[in-house]
Amino acid sequence: DGGITQSPKYLFRKEGQNVTLSCEQNLNHDAMYWYRQDPGQGLRLIYYSQIVNDFQKGDIAEGYSVSREKKESFPLTVTSAQKNPTAFYLCASSIGVWGSRADTQYFGPGTRLTVL
Amino acid sequence: DQQVKQNSPSLSVQEGRISILNCDYTNSMFDYFLWYKKYPAEGPTFLISISSIKDKNEDGRFTVFLNKSAKHLSLHIVPSQPGDSAVYFCAASAGYGGSQGNLIFGKGTKLSVKP
Repeated sequence: DGGITQSPKYLFRKEGQNVTLSCEQNLNHDAMYWYRQDPGQGLRLIYYSQIVNDFQKGDIAEGYSVSREKKESFPLTVTSAQKNPTAFYLCASSIGVWGSRADTQYFGPGTRLTVL
Repeated sequence: DQQVKQNSPSLSVQEGRISILNCDYTNSMFDYFLWYKKYPAEGPTFLISISSIKDKNEDGRFTVFLNKSAKHLSLHIVPSQPGDSAVYFCAASAGYGGSQGNLIFGKGTKLSVKP
């Protein structure tokens, strides 16, 4: 039963605390992505990783950090430096063979983070 | 500066009729386009894609049309069903490895199909 899992579905944190969102995939995809969605907005890219132990900043990386120690996992940490952390966070993956054309990204169910 | 634009935030259609969702883009390097469907509090689901070498791609009730000269694509849903009610995102990519392979998303169009 292949897919992308994100946990937890809902997360509450106090202002000033770092929080880590989990993303796991068993699709054997090389590439993984983190997006943020705000009401009335499209998906904005935070970070992406095309191979293990490598990742790149997306359009809105400030206040976030990631790691890619395993192919299956791409956790996102929302740090206290992120000024507006309350949002819906989406993780995605794609086959992502380096140098090949872009391919379809498949999304997890998302995590709703609320900072109180 | 938005590279992918969905100018209609919402669209309401009667069940059984055609739904047409539109998307415009500005980057002439985009050569791969996708449509995603999203329900509230869920991740987007891939619907259909089209490469710039084609001008039409069909999958069941869903057809995507691409007009490269106008930098415009559209998603047609025929016939529309109440279960199609969702937000639809258009996405585009410049194609090959590195950051050019990343998808750029529009802001979405909320489709409501009324019984």
